[in-house]
Amino acid sequence: DSGVTQTPKHLITATGQRVTLRCSPRSGDLSVYWYQQSLDQGLQFLIQYYNGEERAKGNILERFSAQQFPDLHSELNLSSLELGDSALYFCASSVAGAPYGYTFGSGTRLTVV
Amino acid sequence: GQQVMQIPQYQHVQEGEDFTTYCNSSTTLSNIQWYKQRPGGHPVFLIQLVKSGEVKKQKRLTFQFGEAKKNSSLHITATQTTDVGTYFCAGGDYGGSQGNLIFGKGTKLSVKP
Repeated sequence: DSGVTQTPKHLITATGQRVTLRCSPRSGDLSVYWYQQSLDQGLQFLIQYYNGEERAKGNILERFSAQQFPDLHSELNLSSLELGDSALYFCASSVAGAPYGYTFGSGTRLTVV
Repeated sequence: GQQVMQIPQYQHVQEGEDFTTYCNSSTTLSNIQWYKQRPGGHPVFLIQLVKSGEVKKQKRLTFQFGEAKKNSSLHITATQTTDVGTYFCAGGDYGGSQGNLIFGKGTKLSVKP
């Protein structure tokens, strides 16, 4: 157990639907990051939150949004889902400056059918 | 935007052979981190390099950060089957106390016993 909790582990949904992925960071970590991992695409950075505020944005589609709540958990909302959104979505957390790296959760595998 | 390129994409070795993966950034990095992802698992932080020309060792793993802080390498001596997985480098370009990492696409290592 890495200390970063992601739910659900698996999600199967139909095209056009909306889903919410949840992440609880490791205790004490204020930064939360979301990454998408598709086959042969590596880890694509989506968005970062720090202590409730958006800090950096990567290649996140307009159909996707995220937020970090006062208790520091974060949610990634994916809407109008397309087949190409099928991927593994990782949440990671870190202390300020990440001197000890990111701690990743076990991921949510999203399948859009 | 910042890009991190990693080669090779795949590497197949016989157990006992050495393995090296290379990472190059389009911009100067403030630090570089290395992660390992076992099949079916999540990325796990291995190490961070910060100083120009830095070399760090972890048992059979040797990590180097280039003088210009734009490239890095991971070398594994005498690979074992437990080394199987995908190795990612991730470049940091911190503009302050927070930031995000840009990951390379990874090198997938397979080891034949």
